[in-house]
Amino acid sequence: AQSVTQLDSQVPVFEEAPVELRCNYSSSVSVYLFWYVQYPNQGLQLLLKYLSGSTLVESINGFEAEFNKSQTSFHLRKPSVHISDTAEYFCAVRNNQGGKLIFGQGTELSVKP
Amino acid sequence: DAGVIQSPRHEVTEMGQEVTLRCKPISGHNSLFWYRQTMMRGLELLIYFNNNVPIDDSGMPEDRFSAKMPNASFSTLKIQPSEPRDSAVYFCASSLYDLGSPLHFGNGTRLTVT
Repeated sequence: AQSVTQLDSQVPVFEEAPVELRCNYSSSVSVYLFWYVQYPNQGLQLLLKYLSGSTLVESINGFEAEFNKSQTSFHLRKPSVHISDTAEYFCAVRNNQGGKLIFGQGTELSVKP
Repeated sequence: DAGVIQSPRHEVTEMGQEVTLRCKPISGHNSLFWYRQTMMRGLELLIYFNNNVPIDDSGMPEDRFSAKMPNASFSTLKIQPSEPRDSAVYFCASSLYDLGSPLHFGNGTRLTVT
């Protein structure tokens, strides 16, 4: 069985500051890793994903995440955040043997002016 | 594409009543998932289907919950009888049957059981 741990439940930052949202996973087999974002009163939307290949993956709005197999981590980063990035962010893992997508508890990112 | 469509958006009901939540997945997607979101437990996978067949329902809380997918374009999640602790936001999501394919979520149904 796999599991996901998001180490921070809330991350407050000022606009234009860098941010890192931490995610660690546990699995006995190879995994696929995802970050989703949830804005208020909406469903989750895919931000980026790691399937294979380059360990650094990027989204279209400036976020990036790096797969680190030795540390079993998939932290999400952005060098300069905007007010509009305020949302809840979920890390998720899916192993290569089944269709279950398991989510972490979420990290609430709050960007202040 | 209209995305995943869930109905109703909000449901308020009294304890003991039957509740039916509905989901229309994205056309062409052959995997469908039901999740429940609460502050205490976060996002829990209740059940998922591949090609209309339930694959894993180990997350369904108890026998009061049941889910069906009679065809590729429709699924229901039923709670009978409902209890106050069932109050949550219920999300339906669909994807291609490919482990690397992302899930596309509906906007959820906010259920309140009084």
